Amino acid sequence: TQLLEQSPQFLSIQEGENLTVYCNSSSVFSSLQWYRQEPGEGPVLLVTVVTGGEVKKLKRLTFQFGDARKDSSLHITAAQPGDTGLYLCAGEETGGGNKLTFGTGTQLKVEL
Amino acid sequence: NAGVTQTPKFRILKIGQSMTLQCTQDMNHNYMYWYRQDPGMGLKLIYYSVGAGITDKGEVPNGYNVSRSTTEDFPLRLELAAPSQTSVYFCAARGPPIPNSPLHFGNGTRLTVT
Repeated sequence: TQLLEQSPQFLSIQEGENLTVYCNSSSVFSSLQWYRQEPGEGPVLLVTVVTGGEVKKLKRLTFQFGDARKDSSLHITAAQPGDTGLYLCAGEETGGGNKLTFGTGTQLKVEL
Repeated sequence: NAGVTQTPKFRILKIGQSMTLQCTQDMNHNYMYWYRQDPGMGLKLIYYSVGAGITDKGEVPNGYNVSRSTTEDFPLRLELAAPSQTSVYFCAARGPPIPNSPLHFGNGTRLTVT
C-alpha cells in the first residue's frame, strides 16, 4: 500500500491568513485528488491533478502536483471561516487497481 | 438526486454481535468502495468492487465481509464485532472515466462497539 503523509496534521489560523497543506509520498501516483470533509458528512472532491508540475486554481485555493508525481500541495489565500474542515489528499495507485489511497488528513480551523 | 445512501447513521453494538451496514447508489456506477475513518484521520480502504459479482480486499479487510449482487447495492458485514471496529464507515461509488474520476461518498455510519 502506498502511503500518503499530510502536514500539518492540525492548523488553526485567523481569517485572512494564508496557509499551505502538504501531501507527500515516496511512491509515484498517476493522479492525485484533494477532498474536503465537513463534520457528519462524507468527503467532497475539490480537484484532480494528473500531470507532473500541474497547477490548478479553484477561487482562493491553488493546487500543485509535484514534478515527479510523488507529492502535492494545497495553498489557501485569505482563509475564511467557511474553509474550515478536514482536507484529504488521495492518490490513484499506479499499475491499475482502481483504488485511491487517502492521506492522513489536515484539520483546518479558521477563526474570525 | 440521492447519490450514495448509507443506513443506519448510527449504531451501537456489543462485542461479538454482528450487523450489516447498507449502501446503495442510484448513479449506475460500477465501482464501489468501503472505507473506515478513525477520528480526525484519513480513510482506510476495507473492500472494493469493480462491478456486480466482483469484490476484492483493500488495506484493512480483516473482520469484514462484502457482497455485490447488484450494481446498486454494496453491503458491508461485521460478523463478530470488536472494539477495534469502532469507527465511521463510508461507502463510495465511482463512475467513468477510470482513473481520475471522483469518489462520491455517502454520509457515513458511525459505529460504536462496547
